[in-house]
Amino acid sequence: KAGVTQTPRYLIKTRGQQVTLSCSPISGHRSVSWYQQTPGQGLQFLFEYFSETQRNKGNFPGRFSGRQFSNSRSEMNVSTLELGDSALYLCASSRQGDQPQHFGDGTRLSIL
Amino acid sequence: SQKIEQNSEALNIQEGKTATLTCNYTNYSPAYLQWYRQDPGRGPVFLLLIRENEKEKRKERLKVTFDTTLKQSLFHITASQPADSATYLCAPASGGSYIPTFGRGTSLIVHP
Repeated sequence: KAGVTQTPRYLIKTRGQQVTLSCSPISGHRSVSWYQQTPGQGLQFLFEYFSETQRNKGNFPGRFSGRQFSNSRSEMNVSTLELGDSALYLCASSRQGDQPQHFGDGTRLSIL
Repeated sequence: SQKIEQNSEALNIQEGKTATLTCNYTNYSPAYLQWYRQDPGRGPVFLLLIRENEKEKRKERLKVTFDTTLKQSLFHITASQPADSATYLCAPASGGSYIPTFGRGTSLIVHP
């Protein structure tokens, strides 16, 4: 059974640009969550999608957005990139809310 | 605000010994708690989930306890091996949103 796949693995952008990250969940998983991981803040929750609807949202500015498609694949978009957005962005999927989350290996985003 | 505390200092132990990692939480009444392992440059890997009505859970060499009175979970690895060296993350989740809040993790180093 294939795990959670995130693309791309690495990305370099400059301030002011925007970026889209992609996540393919485990087959049969309808919940997809996104996290930002930095050395200073640890793993911070961005948002969760379930059946194409945003079900939960973390405390991040509106520059961070996402969506989920009918096949459960999800994308995350960050607009007007700032230096502080440099981080490892992780996607996790689960069958439903109270089940274990399974993570991809993330996208390492570096802002120059 | 909710606070998850894991020992920020690395835990160094000798191969074959039992490693015990601690997770304390405040201002929180989690419905369940998860433990993850994370290796450098990789996403977290799910290890165990324990629910609020369970005191203890085991899986092979791993054991988790959950004390809702003390607001604490302990994670044990028996007969530890150098391959167990990694960062271990504690992640309690409330019954409302089921979105886990991650601790900063404890680094475990097992010496041969």
